[in-house]
Amino acid sequence: QLQLQESGPGLVKPSEAVSLTCTVSGGSLTTTSYSWAWIRQSPGQGLEWIGSIYDSGTAYYNPSFKSRVTMSVDTSKNYFSLKFSSVIAADTATYYCARHDARQRYCSINICYFNWFDPWGPGTLVTVSS
Amino acid sequence: DIVMTQSPDSLAVSLGERATINCKSSQSVLYSVDNKNYLGWYQQKPGQPPKLLIYWASTREFGVPDRFSGSGSGTDFTLTISSLQAEDVAVYYCQQYYERVSTFGQGTKVEIK
Repeated sequence: QLQLQESGPGLVKPSEAVSLTCTVSGGSLTTTSYSWAWIRQSPGQGLEWIGSIYDSGTAYYNPSFKSRVTMSVDTSKNYFSLKFSSVIAADTATYYCARHDARQRYCSINICYFNWFDPWGPGTLVTVSS
Repeated sequence: DIVMTQSPDSLAVSLGERATINCKSSQSVLYSVDNKNYLGWYQQKPGQPPKLLIYWASTREFGVPDRFSGSGSGTDFTLTISSLQAEDVAVYYCQQYYERVSTFGQGTKVEIK
């Protein structure tokens, strides 16, 4: 059974760089039918898709986050990561990683369409505060 | 981005009664080429991540009880719990995946009356 587990720093200060990791067990990151996603949930903004990455390392981002985030993947260790270059208080949220279904959707180097998210990790809370 | 609006924000239903949650998209999520509605429903229980219940607007995920059903097309969708059980207390979200930037509704909280 595929399981995902997020890890992160918990409490960070504004303007700091933040990295989150999602470790996948019970399955492989190496698949063309699925990508691997980050989604966050905050009381103010609800659920927001941040971006998704394939095992090839090609990532697709929500334009709302593109200038501030970078995703990476390590298929040998079965994990993928999200990095914020600089965080603000509004980035306080629970961050989830999830498998992003991509079957029968169009995908090119510049644009990619995906389906639903399943399964999700339990989430990690990131609090941005001085 | 497509805006997803759910109604009501919360509802209280007696055990064994029907619960109905609505979701409206700001533009159609029906793709004419394959006649599929690019819409999913999730259930989130307290302290847990969202769990996929339904995709393609009406296809139940494996293992989801058949008291959960999805319907609708175009811009208007409904999630129905035919006979509410205590374990169904949760927040329910709709998600459109028609556009490359997927978006979610704000959630509907279901409680026991």
